[in-house]
Amino acid sequence: DAEITQSPRHKITETGRQVTLACHQTWNHNNMFWYRQDLGHGLRLIHYSYGVQDTNKGEVSDGYSVSRSNTEDLPLTLESAASSQTSVYFCASSEKFYNEQFFGPGTRLTVL
Amino acid sequence: GDSVTQMEGPVTLSEEAFLTINCTYTATGYPSLFWYVQYPGEGLQLLLKATKADDKGSNKGFEATYRKETTSFHLEKGSVQVSDSAVYFCALAQNTGNQFYFGTGTSLTVIP
Repeated sequence: DAEITQSPRHKITETGRQVTLACHQTWNHNNMFWYRQDLGHGLRLIHYSYGVQDTNKGEVSDGYSVSRSNTEDLPLTLESAASSQTSVYFCASSEKFYNEQFFGPGTRLTVL
Repeated sequence: GDSVTQMEGPVTLSEEAFLTINCTYTATGYPSLFWYVQYPGEGLQLLLKATKADDKGSNKGFEATYRKETTSFHLEKGSVQVSDSAVYFCALAQNTGNQFYFGTGTSLTVIP
């Protein structure tokens, strides 16, 4: 069965370190998304991609970057982790932009 | 711009009670509408969807009808179970744009 996976599931890091969260999907979807989920804020879009070599900023992109070198993967990098980036991060993919999104299980990141 | 507004939570119900979670939207044209469910410690899962006015989406005893005249997509279930305890998200997507909008989520707790 097709799926979307994220790794690691839990990560603790220190302020100032670079962190990369992995997202891998086997749906063969062109569209991929990164969200963060915080209490009181719901889901907020960080970055998204329409396809290979395409990346776009979402509403909370500062301090984050992504790259899309193939269809299956969209890694999210925190260049210099800050305590404000402590959150649960979800990756998602969809066939067309207006179709339903399929979500990964999430990565809980703690920045100390 | 487009947006989705959900009723504030948390909602606490007794088992077998009737559930309604309100969702209204602001959008031009004819968006697709979705309800997602997030169980504790998991990612979001699509619960149901509707792609045009008067469509009724249904799944696992949950229903929602796309009402263009009232710009609403309220989620209902006739008899909730403890296993329905989760956070529910209403969402909207435009087939002419490139945005997918989530509501802030409504937490439901069902007590035996």
